[in-house]
Amino acid sequence: GESVGLHLPTLSVQEGDNSIINCAYSNSASDYFIWYKQESGKGPQFIIDIRSNMDKRQGQRVTVLLNKTVKHLSLQIAATQPGDSAVYFCAEILDNYGQNFVFGPGTRLSVLP
Amino acid sequence: NAGVMQNPRHLVRRRGQEARLRCSPMKGHSHVYWYRQLPEEGLKFMVYLQKENIIDESGMPKERFSAEFPKEGPSILRIQQVVRGDSAAYFCASSPRQGSEAFFGQGTRLTVV
Repeated sequence: GESVGLHLPTLSVQEGDNSIINCAYSNSASDYFIWYKQESGKGPQFIIDIRSNMDKRQGQRVTVLLNKTVKHLSLQIAATQPGDSAVYFCAEILDNYGQNFVFGPGTRLSVLP
Repeated sequence: NAGVMQNPRHLVRRRGQEARLRCSPMKGHSHVYWYRQLPEEGLKFMVYLQKENIIDESGMPKERFSAEFPKEGPSILRIQQVVRGDSAAYFCASSPRQGSEAFFGQGTRLTVV
């Protein structure tokens, strides 16, 4: 289940189950979104992206869903594996000029054996 | 094709010294972003640069911090007269154009003693 830690919310799932990580973004004008995975001591790793003209995009074992009405983004991981344990961040681009990526607070995914 | 290269990976500085963090973007990438991350927290945008230009520095502290991305060579994040509060991981990302995926380096972990 979900719990809020000192800084990062944590999602614990059983190995083999599906994981759903949620993100609320801030700006309705954002038109590009990315999910990143960050393992301990490493830089963020690109997982999957989606543009605002789409509401779903699938990759290998991952699916991103975008709900522009409520400014919500989710990352679904199928058949979660121990190697999926990491912190997951969503990022949005705020504007079309001098774009910079704004990151959400992150969710720690913990995969239980 | 090497990824985004950051060096040094770890940097220790005494209070009052200068810290220089380097970032070599991926080949063909002319957009560079710098982010700062505290333990168990998300990534905070600092500055966005293109070759020889600062596009957005809204996340940079007004004093002691500066960034450049010269025509030749890596992007440099410079912190003058470091204080203990500057201790953090600093990540660089690069992208080939606006509105496209950004790839991160492994970060530089700055410790101010």
